[in-house]
Amino acid sequence: GAGVSQTPSNKVTEKGKYVELRCDPISGHTALYWYRQSLGQGPEFLIYFQGTGAADDSGLPNDRFFAVRPEGSVSTLKIQRTERGDSAVYLCASSFNTIGPHTQYFGPGTRLTVL
Amino acid sequence: DAKTTQPTSMDCAEGRAANLPCNHSTISGNEYVYWYRQIHSQGPQYIIHGLKNNETNEMASLIITEDRKSSTLILPHATLRDTAVYYCIVRGTNFGNEKLTFGTGTRLTIIP
Repeated sequence: GAGVSQTPSNKVTEKGKYVELRCDPISGHTALYWYRQSLGQGPEFLIYFQGTGAADDSGLPNDRFFAVRPEGSVSTLKIQRTERGDSAVYLCASSFNTIGPHTQYFGPGTRLTVL
Repeated sequence: DAKTTQPTSMDCAEGRAANLPCNHSTISGNEYVYWYRQIHSQGPQYIIHGLKNNETNEMASLIITEDRKSSTLILPHATLRDTAVYYCIVRGTNFGNEKLTFGTGTRLTIIP
């Protein structure tokens, strides 16, 4: 079956603008995760959803970042008033559940560049 | 989650076995060892995970020491496509341990 997909693959925006990044998880996966990866670093956790609800948003850097998953499938990461420091690759992952040693499967990421 | 320590970089000749070490001396009883890799400009790819027994799948083998304080990922016959950054991650299974905490990993280069 299809893996995790993310759109767009690349997004260039200007400082101060609003952006939305989309993630389509693997069909049937109840858990969805967002990570952010800066150049030369490993991915850093942002938020994860179990179903429609955000179960842990402790990694969101500030209130400019928000994510939703209204129907428990597709998720959108929203960034308001973008700053140059928001430039990174935003990765989405999904897993069948969060019980036990579940495996997270990652999408290809969205490369966000804020000019 | 326990912290892991990996070498920054390694080289391996094509066709040879690549052995990637990972130290996780503070691992606790319910924490699993996971390995992911990330090929340039792609998302992380799951490789294998284990608790205390050695594990093998079509991609790799995972050898965990008896005291569980370290482990080794083995790619039995490395190819050029195995060039990537390899991440060793320790994660518990309790509520609140759902996220993966990545370090900087080992950059493995396969030499033709």
